[in-house]
Amino acid sequence: DIQMTQSPSSLSSSIGDRVTITCQASQVITKYLNWYQQKPGKAPKVLIYDASNLERGVPSRFSGGGSGTNFTFSISSLQPEDVATYYCQQFDEFPLTFGGGTKVEIK
Amino acid sequence: EVQLVQSGAEVKKPGQSLNISCKGSGYSFTKYWIGWVRQMPGKGLEWMGIIYPDDSDTRYSPSCQGQVTISVDKSTTTAYLLWSSLKASDTAIYYCVRRTWGAHYYFDYWGQGTLVTVSS
Repeated sequence: DIQMTQSPSSLSSSIGDRVTITCQASQVITKYLNWYQQKPGKAPKVLIYDASNLERGVPSRFSGGGSGTNFTFSISSLQPEDVATYYCQQFDEFPLTFGGGTKVEIK
Repeated sequence: EVQLVQSGAEVKKPGQSLNISCKGSGYSFTKYWIGWVRQMPGKGLEWMGIIYPDDSDTRYSPSCQGQVTISVDKSTTTAYLLWSSLKASDTAIYYCVRRTWGAHYYFDYWGQGTLVTVSS
């Protein structure tokens, strides 16, 4: 199984700050690394797919990058509506696995 | 409009059976993999399994294999998650999810979630 390790598990930043989350895989992921946002009490939604592709309709302040075993997710300018938990997920092979999540709060 | 609409919340006792449903609409149901994701109280997301409705090819996570059954009814465009004997540890929100079609692999639509509470 591919283990996904996200860090940090939580963070608190100010409005307008740049926020970066990392996701490390236990083995190389060829392409299918996704990022989801889950707001409190809601179902998750995809923001980034294939490591760096922005899902249609998602604001451009969200971005993703990386390759191999190390991936990053960034919010260029944190907004109040970005308060949520963010998860990475690999879709390279079964069983599919998620990272443990990063809870993002406003300072 | 693509929609995944799940059945309502359930309260059950340990040992009871249960099935929850997820009705897909607004797309060609048989051509998209549909799966289930579990979220235990206050915890993260855990993939449980996925099924291809056209031929019922099904894959399970090792932790869920033998604990649940995923099935579909093509005539009603509905996917199911079934337990034969619930445990207290099955208490969670369960989301059904659709995998994108084509060369990109991610969950593009999620159901609203079904809360299952198992308590004596």
